[in-house]
Amino acid sequence: QKEVEQNSGPLSVPEGAIASLNCTYSDRGSQSFFWYRQYSGKSPELIMFIYSNGDKEDGRFTAQLNKASQYVSLLIRDSQPSDSATYLCAVHSGGGADGLTFGKGTHLIIQP
Amino acid sequence: EAGVAQSPRYKIIEKRQSVAFWCNPISGHATLYWYQQILGQGPKLLIQFQNNGVVDDSQLPKDRFSAERLKGVDSTLKIQPAKLEDSAVYLCASSQETQYFGPGTRLLVL
Repeated sequence: QKEVEQNSGPLSVPEGAIASLNCTYSDRGSQSFFWYRQYSGKSPELIMFIYSNGDKEDGRFTAQLNKASQYVSLLIRDSQPSDSATYLCAVHSGGGADGLTFGKGTHLIIQP
Repeated sequence: EAGVAQSPRYKIIEKRQSVAFWCNPISGHATLYWYQQILGQGPKLLIQFQNNGVVDDSQLPKDRFSAERLKGVDSTLKIQPAKLEDSAVYLCASSQETQYFGPGTRLLVL
């Protein structure tokens, strides 16, 4: 059974600070990793994906992957109140069936 | 570019009734997915289509759920008969490389 684990939170961060979201996964064969943002009552929206070990930056967002530790993280710099949402970590194990396995999500609150 | 379309947006039914959801993917996306998202959980994959063929339906409760994508474009997901625990948001997604989600159908089973 493939599992993706996230701390459900809530994680409270002051405006302007760095928010750090973490995710671990059980399947060592996992090949690609995604972060989705989900506002209450809305559908998930893709923020970033990462395939290789190391860091990947896109604007205020940085995804970090460590396959040896089976660990993925998302850093949000200069956090804004509009970043308040649930952040879902998703993993794709590769092969022809490429449906994603999602964690339960971390509820992030940015305090003005 | 238009996104993934889903209808209806909301549905309330009584247990043991049947219900159907419709999805129209992003134009040109060959792969289509149905996910179930229960409140407080992440989405769970129910079924994946590649064109009009099923790639993965290992988590679809086949005694009550069925899905089809007859012409390789639109898809329908059906539940018959519905149970209380089917109350959830049903999300359709399509992809070429990354998955994009539709707005979802919120189902309440009473």
